[in-house]
Amino acid sequence: GAGVSQSPSNKVTEKGKDVELRCDPISGHTALYWYRQRLGQGLEFLIYFQGNSAPDKSGLPSDRFSAERTGESVSTLTIQRTQQEDSAVYLCASSSYRGPGYEQYFGPGTRLTVT
Amino acid sequence: KQEVTQIPAALSVPEGENLVLNCSFTDSAIYNLQWFRQDPGKGLTSLLLIQSSQREQTSGRLNASLDKSSGRSTLYIAASQPGDSATYLCAVSPMDSNYQLIWGAGTKLIIKP
Repeated sequence: GAGVSQSPSNKVTEKGKDVELRCDPISGHTALYWYRQRLGQGLEFLIYFQGNSAPDKSGLPSDRFSAERTGESVSTLTIQRTQQEDSAVYLCASSSYRGPGYEQYFGPGTRLTVT
Repeated sequence: KQEVTQIPAALSVPEGENLVLNCSFTDSAIYNLQWFRQDPGKGLTSLLLIQSSQREQTSGRLNASLDKSSGRSTLYIAASQPGDSATYLCAVSPMDSNYQLIWGAGTKLIIKP
């Protein structure tokens, strides 16, 4: 079946511009996660959705970052007034929520470069 | 605060060798530990998931072990092949957060033909 998809795969933007990153989770997966991976570093948790509510936004680095999700489907991560330190690969994952320790399935990521 | 460390950061070995990648974590209160493979432009692929009650998991040429009390896991790759070249990441699911994964920075593996 179809896996998690993300678009665009690559995005180059000028400092100060806004960007939107999209994630399509696996159909039926109720949980959705956004992570950021800077070059040479591990993944940083950004936000988690259960359905269309976000119980934990504590990983969002600043108020320039926001995310929303429509039902148990598509999610959009928006970065306003981008800065060079926002350059990273943004990864989305989804899972079928059954309790602690369930497996997350990842998309290919969006590589964001802020010039 | 849970921290995950992977050593070495990079490893290059000739084809055919057996090798071990290491992962350590600071807090043993975890639900499970996962090993992932990351290929450029292809996202993350889950390789093995070890529940906290388990000692090891095997899939083909891969074997992952978990020693929760000492905060260590190893990923053993037998008879390495050039196609195994990738970055290998480990992540733990901590008990104080039932959804968030805590990640190591990865080991970049190169298998030389």
